[in-house]
Amino acid sequence: AQKITQTQPGMFVQEKEAVTLDCTYDTSDPSYGLFWYKQPSSGEMIFLIYQGSYDQQNATEGRYSLNFQKARKSANLVISASQLGDSAMYFCAMREGLGGTSYGKLTFGQGTILTVHP
Amino acid sequence: ETGVTQSPTHLIKTRGQQVTLRCSSQSGHNTVSWYQQALGQGPQFIFQYYREEENGRGNFPPRFSGLQFPNYSSELNVNALELDDSALYLCARRGGITSTDTQYFGPGTRLTVL
Repeated sequence: AQKITQTQPGMFVQEKEAVTLDCTYDTSDPSYGLFWYKQPSSGEMIFLIYQGSYDQQNATEGRYSLNFQKARKSANLVISASQLGDSAMYFCAMREGLGGTSYGKLTFGQGTILTVHP
Repeated sequence: ETGVTQSPTHLIKTRGQQVTLRCSSQSGHNTVSWYQQALGQGPQFIFQYYREEENGRGNFPPRFSGLQFPNYSSELNVNALELDDSALYLCARRGGITSTDTQYFGPGTRLTVL
């Protein structure tokens, strides 16, 4: 079974509108972390936001928020007030466990290409 | 700015050759990870180094090996290159010392195997 599933290969949004990128995950470990990264065409993976499995509140970072629904195992990224520069590939990723060998091991989804129209 | 640099930016090799990719970090941290990202896919974890020793490995054969140096720089070595090794190779440094820290990635090395 896929550990991280991103079902939207591509999404389109109008500039200044909000958009939600979907991510579902699968793990039996009670301790895990969920990440979203942005990858422009240049290739660099840019960290956007993090949500821990024990965090009670949804994470927010500027225009980015993470809609964490633990029972449904979903961690959707919400981008408010989209900008042209938001056009990129977006990856959801998970780290299982909290220590030792788990620190550097992220499992990524297939990604969603977001296109922002003017 | 993640403070992680990688070299070279691009590389072309032929099947059967060996390649060494390099990664360095401005800030010192004792954990570095390497990922392979095939075209159109998400990155896949190759391995992690902690205090200069391999400390976790993904589903990659032994011809993928690495080194980490005392100055926190790192190398990824791939022997007997195959066509399927063509990919973007990313290294990442650990961002902090708590369980909530993230991985900060470098810009990647794009390897083409002909």
